[in-house]
Amino acid sequence: GAVVSQHPSRVICKSGTSVKIECRSLDFQATTMFWYRQFPKKSLMLMATSNEGSKATYEQGVEKDKFLINHASLTLSTLTVTSAHPEDSSFYICSAREGTGLTYEQYFGPGTRLTVT
Amino acid sequence: AQKVTQAQTEISVVEKEDVTLDCVYETRDTTYYLFWYKQPPSGELVFLIRRNSFDEQNEISGRYSWNFQKSTSSFNFTITASQVVDSAVYFCALMSTSGGYNKLIFGAGTRLAVHP
Repeated sequence: GAVVSQHPSRVICKSGTSVKIECRSLDFQATTMFWYRQFPKKSLMLMATSNEGSKATYEQGVEKDKFLINHASLTLSTLTVTSAHPEDSSFYICSAREGTGLTYEQYFGPGTRLTVT
Repeated sequence: AQKVTQAQTEISVVEKEDVTLDCVYETRDTTYYLFWYKQPPSGELVFLIRRNSFDEQNEISGRYSWNFQKSTSSFNFTITASQVVDSAVYFCALMSTSGGYNKLIFGAGTRLAVHP
């Protein structure tokens, strides 16, 4: 299957700083990318959906000014956690799809574990 | 509304036992896809199966099998002769056209522990 990478795999940052997580589709062009958040022992919660070149669509309850998503190219999306706080500590997973239709496969990255101290 | 229910939070079995993980879904759409993913301790999601709503045939892949029943809106997953390496969290997920962008909705997950 297709490969989606995330960088970094693990990051520790201090409270109040911002951290950027990159998601890349390595062997296909991803018109749509998704960002999920997973708390320990919980399910994946969709944060936002982005199409290349347009603004992300955020799920209810997700602060768009806190979690900045940029999908500037067909192979790269970034999630920036601004002014991070300890409650932002979580496992962030990105996912990418070639198209918007149901028939397109959705591929997941390996995840980024963020710890805010 | 789209919803996936995995009622079993945790299951513990001894190696070589068979185990079935339940999944019940809700959707008003007639066209949708159902998925199972495995998440080992490393955290990376491993795709196991995708099934579309028009294909109710059961599927077997090695020790894994899936039973899709539209009449009960269920898509159960059975592991035969479980092994310690099967220990992981298993997620059932639904993708349909409602809400735009065909979003993947995950169940809460079932944590499977296989003991030697």
